[in-house]
Amino acid sequence: GAGVSQTPSNKVTEKGKYVELRCDPISGHTALYWYRQSLGQGPEFLIYFQGTGAADDSGLPNDRFFAVRPEGSVSTLKIQRTERGDSAVYLCASSQTRTGGIGELFFGEGSRLTVL
Amino acid sequence: AQSVTQLDSHVSVSEGTPVLLRCNYSSSYSPSLFWYVQHPNKGLQLLLKYTSAATLVKGINGFEAEFKKSETSFHLTKPSAHMSDAAEYFCVVSDQGGKLIFGQGTELSVKP
Repeated sequence: GAGVSQTPSNKVTEKGKYVELRCDPISGHTALYWYRQSLGQGPEFLIYFQGTGAADDSGLPNDRFFAVRPEGSVSTLKIQRTERGDSAVYLCASSQTRTGGIGELFFGEGSRLTVL
Repeated sequence: AQSVTQLDSHVSVSEGTPVLLRCNYSSSYSPSLFWYVQHPNKGLQLLLKYTSAATLVKGINGFEAEFKKSETSFHLTKPSAHMSDAAEYFCVVSDQGGKLIFGQGTELSVKP
């Protein structure tokens, strides 16, 4: 497709369950970002990939969160033992190059996660 | 560390009147600054960006922003609001590693 695609668009799960959120970036974009947006807040950085490697994972809140991008394209954000506080919209963005202050990030519409 | 502060959580204007959304930034170096817009149930869209070229930056849909180093500000303006401008607006700074740091957002309402 032409834009960043995220699936599922909505996910409802129970506390303690495992969740995977998928991001399919724009074809040819080497940089991929995950952000989390809670209600009434701005997006909060989680992790950034350049190619297959995580260049910066400083925003991951704890070791229950993990993300992969094995072939340098699609990425999966994995959340173990979900907690109610994990409820948020998870946003994925891609860019042609490492932003470095001059690039533009293209965002998907997000995956809304609700933990009951 | 880089950060942005959006001075208003909500701004309400009448259609056809000017829009001003205020943003102050903090950065230890010459920053790159952006404004993104988020319409309900839509993805974030880049409005405009400042990358140390012209201090007055023009974006899409008639928006513009002026970088003022002396005031550490990057306010977003539009001469005449349209109903379709109603959305959430985010001021954003890029850190040296390339990741974007978002402000808390300003919700713009446009009254007919």
